[in-house]
Amino acid sequence: DVKVTQSSRYLVKRTGEKVFLECVQDMDHENMFWYRQDPGLGLRLIYFSYDVKMKEKGDIPEGYSVSREKKERFSLILESASTNQTSMYLCASSLLGTGSYEQYFGPGTRLTVT
Amino acid sequence: AQSVAQPEDQVNVAEGNPLTVKCTYSVSGNPYLFWYVQYPNRGLQFLLKYITGDNLVKGSYGFEAEFNKSQTSFHLKKPSALVSDSALYFCAVRDITDSNYQLIWGAGTKLIIKP
Repeated sequence: DVKVTQSSRYLVKRTGEKVFLECVQDMDHENMFWYRQDPGLGLRLIYFSYDVKMKEKGDIPEGYSVSREKKERFSLILESASTNQTSMYLCASSLLGTGSYEQYFGPGTRLTVT
Repeated sequence: AQSVAQPEDQVNVAEGNPLTVKCTYSVSGNPYLFWYVQYPNRGLQFLLKYITGDNLVKGSYGFEAEFNKSQTSFHLKKPSALVSDSALYFCAVRDITDSNYQLIWGAGTKLIIKP
């Protein structure tokens, strides 16, 4: 069974803290994605990676960085958390291919920055 | 620019009635189209996709969607709604000529099925 796991379901951090969100997939997928989900805005892509050590900026990369040292693991880093980064963060993975493959999602991390 | 519109924030349907969740898209080339569902406090689950071929696509949980190229639509349908279908539904599109792997997402439609 396909599985994407995220390190935390709920996280509360203070403004200015460095925050790490971890995502692991067990499907040997090449592509991995980080999204944030806010009501009325749908999903917005922060970063994605199509290979180890490769990364591409999405629509809203400001204030975030990512790391992909191993194929199965994709980390999202908030260098200095701010209150406007309070959101639901979703990780996803997919096969590489032609872009016709569906994405598989983790359960999400609800981050609150106070 | 590529875009996806889900014109209804919320759709209310009585259990047993047919349901439709609307999606229209705009891409410069041909589209790959997807529907996902999100149950409360869960991640998104893939429902179905249109890549090529038959315009009527069947997916999980009895859902289907019809690709209409002239109307640039990909509406999600189910003949008989269940209370358990209540969830948030997202439509997404990718232009097959686009070299990156991004999906463009709609804002989501909340589906409420009343007993």
